[in-house]
Amino acid sequence: DVKVTQSSRYLVKRTGEKVFLECVQDMDHENMFWYRQDPGLGLRLIYFSYDVKMKEKGDIPEGYSVSREKKERFSLILESASTNQTSMYLCASSFFRDNSPLHFGNGTRLTVT
Amino acid sequence: GNSVTQMEGPVTLSEEAFLTINCTYTATGYPSLFWYVQYPGEGLQLLLKATKADDKGSNKGFEATYRKETTSFHLEKGSVQVSDSAVYFCALRVAGTASKLTFGTGTRLQVTL
Repeated sequence: DVKVTQSSRYLVKRTGEKVFLECVQDMDHENMFWYRQDPGLGLRLIYFSYDVKMKEKGDIPEGYSVSREKKERFSLILESASTNQTSMYLCASSFFRDNSPLHFGNGTRLTVT
Repeated sequence: GNSVTQMEGPVTLSEEAFLTINCTYTATGYPSLFWYVQYPGEGLQLLLKATKADDKGSNKGFEATYRKETTSFHLEKGSVQVSDSAVYFCALRVAGTASKLTFGTGTRLQVTL
């Protein structure tokens, strides 16, 4: 079974803090993704990566950055957390080939106070 | 651009009732279509998919048919169970976008005894 593991289930951070969300997958997937999930808005893509050290902006990259130093690990960074970044964050991975299904982690619920 | 519109929830049904969750889309290009399901406390998982017009995806008693003429991919199940209670997301992917998915806002299904 594919496993996508997000390091924290719940996080509470203060405004202005630097926040790291970590994601690890064990299936040698080329693609990795970070989405945020908000009520009434569904899932919105923040960043994705199709190879080590490669990254592309998604639909809502402002206020976020990412790092992919190893194939299995994809980190989401909030340089200076703000209250409007309170959300559920979902990591996903897939093979590069067309229509390869996404495999999701269980999510990290981040609260910024 | 690409977008997915789902019926608003929550949808509340009695066990063994018939389920339909509507999904329509707009896309630049020829999309593949997906339904993902999110059970409480978990990440999303692929439920079914269809990659070309008139294809029918099916899994666990759920079905959806790719209707190009009406740009729709409605999810159906003949007899729902309590265990089907979850949030259902319709999504599309346009070829050449490295498995990036565009999601709808999700529809919560609650099945009662």
